[in-house]
Amino acid sequence: GENVEQHPSTLSVQEGDSAVIKCTYSDSASNYFPWYKQELGKRPQLIIDIRSNVGEKKDQRIAVTLNKTAKHFSLHITETQPEDSAVYFCAASFQKLVFGTGTRLLVSP
Amino acid sequence: EAGVAQSPRYKIIEKRQSVAFWCNPISGHATLYWYQQILGQGPKLLIQFQNNGVVDDSQLPKDRFSAERLKGVDSTLKIQPAKLEDSAVYLCASSSRSSRANYGYTFGSGTRLTVV
Repeated sequence: GENVEQHPSTLSVQEGDSAVIKCTYSDSASNYFPWYKQELGKRPQLIIDIRSNVGEKKDQRIAVTLNKTAKHFSLHITETQPEDSAVYFCAASFQKLVFGTGTRLLVSP
Repeated sequence: EAGVAQSPRYKIIEKRQSVAFWCNPISGHATLYWYQQILGQGPKLLIQFQNNGVVDDSQLPKDRFSAERLKGVDSTLKIQPAKLEDSAVYLCASSSRSSRANYGYTFGSGTRLTVV
């Protein structure tokens, strides 16, 4: 079945540094790749998404890149702030949304 | 627009008891999903409805879990009998796209189930 791998599982950075989270997917038919931020005890919130006909998308301090050939996609957060601390999930979708295992990001002041 | 509503927010039951969760999707969203999120893991799809029909229930433990979406709007997820490993957050989500183009997901706040 579909599988999404996510790395790293934890990531600690200093405020102002950049953070990169990487995912790979197995289903070559996947055509939609969202990223979610989940704070403790709260629902996953969509922060950015990309569709398979686009290689890169940026929204202020966050960007996502997609390499369909390699079946890789990545989340880039620049100028990190303490409020970016949360668990981030990637996901890949063709007919259903399959989530990665999550990355706990800790941004220290 | 109003979000995806779920109830209850929390539930504690003993093993072998039964429990039911309710979800009201965003108005007009044809596709509804139930996910199970065990602590420290990503959400796992249990079942997907398109209107009132089941699209995917391949990961639903059908010996104990059941779900329905009567009239293609609200949905209930039931566990009977519950096991300790069912302790998790149960998330409901809905989207306005067809099952072949699943984007535009919106998640509810979830129901945190603790089985003791």
